[in-house]
Amino acid sequence: DTEVTQTPKHLVMGMTNKKSLKCEQHMGHRAMYWYKQKAKKPPELMFVYSYEKLSINESVPSRFSPECPNSSLLNLHLHALQPEDSALYLCASSPSWSSYNEQFFGPGTRLTVL
Amino acid sequence: AQTVTQSQPEMSVQEAETVTLSCTYDTSESNYYLFWYKQPPSRQMILVIRQEAYKQQNATENRFSVNFQKAAKSFSLKISDSQLGDTAMYFCAFMQETSGSRLTFGEGTQLTVNP
Repeated sequence: DTEVTQTPKHLVMGMTNKKSLKCEQHMGHRAMYWYKQKAKKPPELMFVYSYEKLSINESVPSRFSPECPNSSLLNLHLHALQPEDSALYLCASSPSWSSYNEQFFGPGTRLTVL
Repeated sequence: AQTVTQSQPEMSVQEAETVTLSCTYDTSESNYYLFWYKQPPSRQMILVIRQEAYKQQNATENRFSVNFQKAAKSFSLKISDSQLGDTAMYFCAFMQETSGSRLTFGEGTQLTVNP
């Protein structure tokens, strides 16, 4: 299994809602990533988990809360988002955080905040 | 800081022809990796090809090949025999030895293959 899966594919939420994005991989990878991608722009790194511990937080607002319950699963909890948070949220994984590991990307969740 | 520059925001090519996408980067490191990722309209980012900086031989994957010029810090992607399925946004990306698996992306080139 060389796939990263993400659910849901699409999500529409109001600014007062709480929702979660889910990412799963069964490749035995020990590093997992969340990216935010605006239209026609490259992905922007948000968080990195290495061995289920948060290694990098790229100064992301606290309304985004990541969670890594186990080595295969990565969640992104969303609360009190703003319309400018509407974007494609990509999950990725790699064998480890150490050098030169290719990242495998999921198909993304298209988030719209009303 | 490392930067990756893709100077062609959009390109188009006729089916079966060859097209080259350009990428330049800036780094003071001697060891690093370079990647080309493809993101079709279906959104999934797929690795097209990778190049290790210490390897002089240019990487090739079927119809995709790179022209890696280390001294010039240039890493272009050549797509031969273009197919309609090659229509996508192409991102050049850089990964350096001292930054773990962090990717630095260029702004992307939107490639359209016309029938």
